[in-house]
Amino acid sequence: EVQLVESGGGLVQPGGSLRLSCAASGFTFSSYWMHWVRQAPGKGLVWVSRVNTDGSSTVYADSVKGRFTISRDNAKNTLFLQMNSLRAEDTAVYYCARSGLQGNWFDPWGQGTLVTVSS
Amino acid sequence: DIVMTQSPDSLAVSLGERATINCKSSQSVLYSSNNKNYLAWYQQKPAQPPKLLIYWASTRESGVPDRFSGSGSGADFTLTISSLQAEDVAVYYCQQYYSTPLTFGQGTKLEI
Repeated sequence: EVQLVESGGGLVQPGGSLRLSCAASGFTFSSYWMHWVRQAPGKGLVWVSRVNTDGSSTVYADSVKGRFTISRDNAKNTLFLQMNSLRAEDTAVYYCARSGLQGNWFDPWGQGTLVTVSS
Repeated sequence: DIVMTQSPDSLAVSLGERATINCKSSQSVLYSSNNKNYLAWYQQKPAQPPKLLIYWASTRESGVPDRFSGSGSGADFTLTISSLQAEDVAVYYCQQYYSTPLTFGQGTKLEI
């Protein structure tokens, strides 16, 4: 069974840092691009970042560029999101998602991890 | 950035009736070299992550009931549920993957 399990969320003060992880299983992790997507409480879905299969190419939404870093460890089947200089508006559930093989749709999604930025 | 706009924002449909959700992109998401529309649809039930329903605008994901169908091309797309079931109550999102940043519609809340 294909599975994605996020961890690392929590409460952090504005300006702080947090590192999210996403453990993948049930598929050949190194063959797929991976994404982070977030959803603020009661709001819609917002794409955050994408990494290619070997980690050599990354893309970010403008809202997180320069503050967030996506990376992966294919030996450990794990995706990461390093989040620095966090702001209140970064408060959201963060989902990791696998990309389609032929296009950047998202399937499947993890259950998500909640990040709350507040003093 | 490609802006995705869904209509309506919310929709109430009787059990067994047809539900139609529209999605319009601010520019075409049809890639001329392969004649494919870079458009996906998702279903999100309360307290659950989204679930992929359709990609390439009309290709149903494996395991998705055939009452769900996608249509449209270019910049105008439709998700149709042919006969609404109680378990279809959810928020539905369209998403373009033609270019980054990847963008979603604002969501359509479907109720009975």
